[in-house]
Amino acid sequence: EAAVTQSPRSKVAVTGGKVTLSCHQTNNHDYMYWYRQDTGHGLRLIHYSYVADSTEKGDIPDGYKASRPSQENFSLILELASLSQTAVYFCASSDRPGYNYAEQFFGPGTRLTVL
Amino acid sequence: DAKTTQPDSMESTEGETVHLPCSHATISGNEYIYWYRQVPLQGPEYVTHGLQQNTTNSMAFLAIASDRKSSTLILTHVSLRDAAVYHCILRVGRNYGNEKITFGAGTKLTIKP
Repeated sequence: EAAVTQSPRSKVAVTGGKVTLSCHQTNNHDYMYWYRQDTGHGLRLIHYSYVADSTEKGDIPDGYKASRPSQENFSLILELASLSQTAVYFCASSDRPGYNYAEQFFGPGTRLTVL
Repeated sequence: DAKTTQPDSMESTEGETVHLPCSHATISGNEYIYWYRQVPLQGPEYVTHGLQQNTTNSMAFLAIASDRKSSTLILTHVSLRDAAVYHCILRVGRNYGNEKITFGAGTKLTIKP
């Protein structure tokens, strides 16, 4: 079965500090995604990647960087964490979307609290 | 990007059939309709998808209007395990790059025993 894991599962960070969230997939998928979810709201796409060593901006990339060092790993980096970045972050992977559907497999999420 | 509109919440009873509506009046011809569900403290889980024809799988039946401006996810014989937030999503998939997904707040489905 498809597997996406995230680390850490929860983290408390201080304002202005650097935070790195990690994601690992064993699905052999080309695409990986980072989303954030705020309480009572849907998911919003931050960054995505379709190949190693390349990342693309999603809908809300400001304040975030992404890194895809290999097909299996995708990191989300907050260089200067802010209070507004308190949220739950989900990583997902999928085959290449396009003319055939590409089901996204999600990780369990990372709960980030910035104080 | 086209967006979706769903009711904030719905309620049903175990064993009943539930119809979850989704409006997507500005859907483009190349957009697929996906449904995911999410339970607390977990990531979303794929339910089903469709482009134009109705589709069915072990989890649900997806009915798509002929003009594609709305769709309905139909869950039969619901159980307590079907309680979740159901997201109706439009996918704009292109060949390598510019992948965009719009997630709404979804419909919170409550199931009573």
